[in-house]
Amino acid sequence: GQQLNQSPQSMFIQEGEDVSMNCTSSSIFNTWLWYKQDPGEGPVLLIALYKAGELTSNGRLTAQFGITRKDSFLNISASIPSDVGIYFCAGQLRSNYQLIWGAGTKLIIKP
Amino acid sequence: EAGVVQSPRYKIIEKKQPVAFWCNPISGHNTLYWYLQNLGQGPELLIRYENEEAVDDSQLPKDRFSAERLKGVDSTLKIQPAELGDSAVYLCASSPSWGSNTGELFFGEGSRLTVL
Repeated sequence: GQQLNQSPQSMFIQEGEDVSMNCTSSSIFNTWLWYKQDPGEGPVLLIALYKAGELTSNGRLTAQFGITRKDSFLNISASIPSDVGIYFCAGQLRSNYQLIWGAGTKLIIKP
Repeated sequence: EAGVVQSPRYKIIEKKQPVAFWCNPISGHNTLYWYLQNLGQGPELLIRYENEEAVDDSQLPKDRFSAERLKGVDSTLKIQPAELGDSAVYLCASSPSWGSNTGELFFGEGSRLTVL
């Protein structure tokens, strides 16, 4: 079946540092989405990308939809403590609109 | 506006016992999803409803899992009998009719199941 390779699996950073994570797949997706999940909560949508090559920002977050439709990255600038959590990428199949999820990137900010 | 409401938040049962989870989606959202999330993994779709119709249940283990959305609003997910491997978080999500085409889902807080 379809799989997304999300990396890194976890990141330990200092407050104020920039963060970069990405997802790749052998499958072509119609849409790429980035969600964040806090402990004990459900995922919350951060950014949705609909066009190949699209670059979208949401505050300190920037995400891009790869030109081949097989990959995406998410950058967080000047990290703050509330950025801690697990970030998931998800690709949406054009055939049936099903979402395929990555395994997540756990962001930990060192005190 | 109220978000997606799930209950119970936590459930501990012994194997072979039944368990049920309830979900109330955001008002006006036609599409409802049940996802399974294992520790350290992303969500995996179990079933998707468009109003009261299950349009994608290909990933639902039908020998022990069942779901219903009788009036196209609330939904219940049942496991009978539960097995040790069913321990996970069960997430409910909803989206407006256009949301299923865009992937923009609104999730509840989840129901954490522990099977002993």
